[in-house]
Amino acid sequence: AQSVTQLDSHVSVSEGTPVLLRCNYSSSYSPSLFWYVQHPNKGLQLLLKYTSAATLVKGINGFEAEFKKSETSFHLTKPSAHMSDAAEYFCVVSGNTNAGKSTFGDGTTLTVKP
Amino acid sequence: EPEVTQTPSHQVTQMGQEVILRCVPISNHLYFYWYRQILGQKVEFLVSFYNNEISEKSEIFDDQFSVERPDGSNFTLKIRSTKLEDSAMYFCASRRGTGISYEQYFGPGTRLTVT
Repeated sequence: AQSVTQLDSHVSVSEGTPVLLRCNYSSSYSPSLFWYVQHPNKGLQLLLKYTSAATLVKGINGFEAEFKKSETSFHLTKPSAHMSDAAEYFCVVSGNTNAGKSTFGDGTTLTVKP
Repeated sequence: EPEVTQTPSHQVTQMGQEVILRCVPISNHLYFYWYRQILGQKVEFLVSFYNNEISEKSEIFDDQFSVERPDGSNFTLKIRSTKLEDSAMYFCASRRGTGISYEQYFGPGTRLTVT
């Protein structure tokens, strides 16, 4: 089985300060891990993905994530938050079933204060 | 870059009516999926489809739901008799099925409103 736990339901930062969104995963096999962002009433946009290559993954809009197998974590970071980063963020694990379905975390709402 | 497309973008229907949500996956992909997201909640897996049959389904995917790949391009989700609680955003996804990446490509979603 596979599962994802996003440790914070809400994160609030000031513009220009660092962002940290935490994600722990559980998987019986080497997983593929993803972060998606969803703006209000919009679809899912892929930020970045880990698929067993480099453990530090760079994504779009300045976001990064580091895969730490020993900690079963895949935290999302950004050095400096922008107002446009305010959105819902989902950590996703895929691949631990024959069908390769995706399992989503509950989501983290990021608020960016001016 | 190839994309998954979904139609319609928004569907309004009355309770008890049948709806069909349509998806066109990326052309060389082999695995197809439907997910749903009730407003304010997380995205939930409904069903996966491979080689013209369901390969996995969740407990949400009961007898009211069915999927079909009627031709070489479309992938549809049918809800036979809609309920108010079926109101949600429905996402289609596809995956190539080879290699080590399990990345799924998501469509933009269809917002279903049941009144």
